[in-house]
Parts: sequence; structure tokens; C-alpha cells
Amino acid sequence: AQSVTQPDIHITVSEGASLELRCNYSYGATPYLFWYVQSPGQGLQLLLKYFSGDTLVQGIKGFEAEFKRSQSSFNLRKPSVHWSDAAEYFCAGGGSSNTGKLIFGQGTTLQVKP
Amino acid sequence: GAGVSQTPSNKVTEKGKYVELRCDPISGHTALYWYRQSLGQGPEFLIYFQGTGAADDSGLPNDRFFAVRPEGSVSTLKIQRTERGDSAVYLCASSLMSLGSGANVLTFGAGSRLTVL
Repeated sequence: AQSVTQPDIHITVSEGASLELRCNYSYGATPYLFWYVQSPGQGLQLLLKYFSGDTLVQGIKGFEAEFKRSQSSFNLRKPSVHWSDAAEYFCAGGGSSNTGKLIFGQGTTLQVKP
Repeated sequence: GAGVSQTPSNKVTEKGKYVELRCDPISGHTALYWYRQSLGQGPEFLIYFQGTGAADDSGLPNDRFFAVRPEGSVSTLKIQRTERGDSAVYLCASSLMSLGSGANVLTFGAGSRLTVL
């Protein structure tokens, strides 16, 4: 069955430190992959997406993600975290039919220490 | 409009009551999606519309849930005989359905938080 897994429920990093949020997927073919961020009371905001081509994708707010087919992973990274990055992050996958029907991971809550 | 608008933002109801949640998508977006997000979980797909018709309703949990989009724009999610387990944030999203030209990118609304007492 298709699935998206975020192994880390909660992560705490110090402001200015680097960040990596993990995402693993299970799909029959290469899926479309997305990272969204959700702040309290806000909708989901798209950070970046991957659907083909360069496996390192750049997104908004200084985030990037790398698609690794051999590891079935699409980890999100940021070299230096800001206090405003504290939020919940969701990885999502869409099938090759590209209908927009997404499977989301459980989410990772990021806490930033001053 | 500039974004996806959902009303009400909060709804508290009693078990057994009927509820309607409204979604106003981005103007010109042909596809509209409903997702449900329970506490501590990622969003789960419910249904999506392409134009006026429901293209995929495989995520609706049971026949108490129904959604319409009569004119291909605004959509209403309807829940009959609500149960406490229906308590969640209901998210609406819209997109320019662009099959074959890359990822179909969804823009989400802020959601409607439903609490069933």
C-alpha cells in the first residue's frame, strides 16, 4: 500500500542550528512529493515539491529537500533555523496520476530553542 | 478570491446534529479537495471535485458524509447525524488541475474546526 512516513514526531533544535526532517515513502512508481508547513490556526503552506529532474529541490524560506530513490526518502533541510520556523511540517506524496489526491505523513513538530 | 476561504472557522455542535461546512476556492481553480485532519495526525483525503462532479470520493468514511459543488466553484461538505469521532479540522484545497504537466499543486484554506459534543 502507498504510504508516507515521518519517523520523528517532535524535534527540538537551537536557533541557528541546522535542521533535517525525515520523510520516507512507499509507492509503486516515483511519486510526486511535497513538503508543507502548518502554523497554529493556519492552513498548510507549500514549502517545495518534487516531480522529476534535479533531485535537490529548493523551496521557500531557505528550505531544500533531496529525493533519494535508493532510500525512498525525501528529507527536508535548512542550514540555519530561525525562531519563526517553529511549526508542524508535513511530508506528502501524490501518485503518478497527478490528481492531487495526497497521502500525508503524521507530521513533525519543530520546536526552536533560543 | 486571493485564497481558499472556509466557513465557519469553528463549529461546535451536539451529537446527532447536521452540519454544513463551506469552501470557496481560488477563482478559476477547477479542482477542489476536502481533507480531514484529526488531532495529532496528518490530513486525510476525503473527496475531490473536477468541475461540478466528484471525481474521487473514496475517502469519505461513510454515508453520513456528503459533498456537493453544484456550480463548479463553492463546495459544501455535509455531515449528517454527527458523532464525537467526527471532531476534526476539515481542510479544503483547490488547484488548477494540470494533468501531465507536472505536480498538481494544492492551495489549502485555514480549515473549519468541528467539535462534536
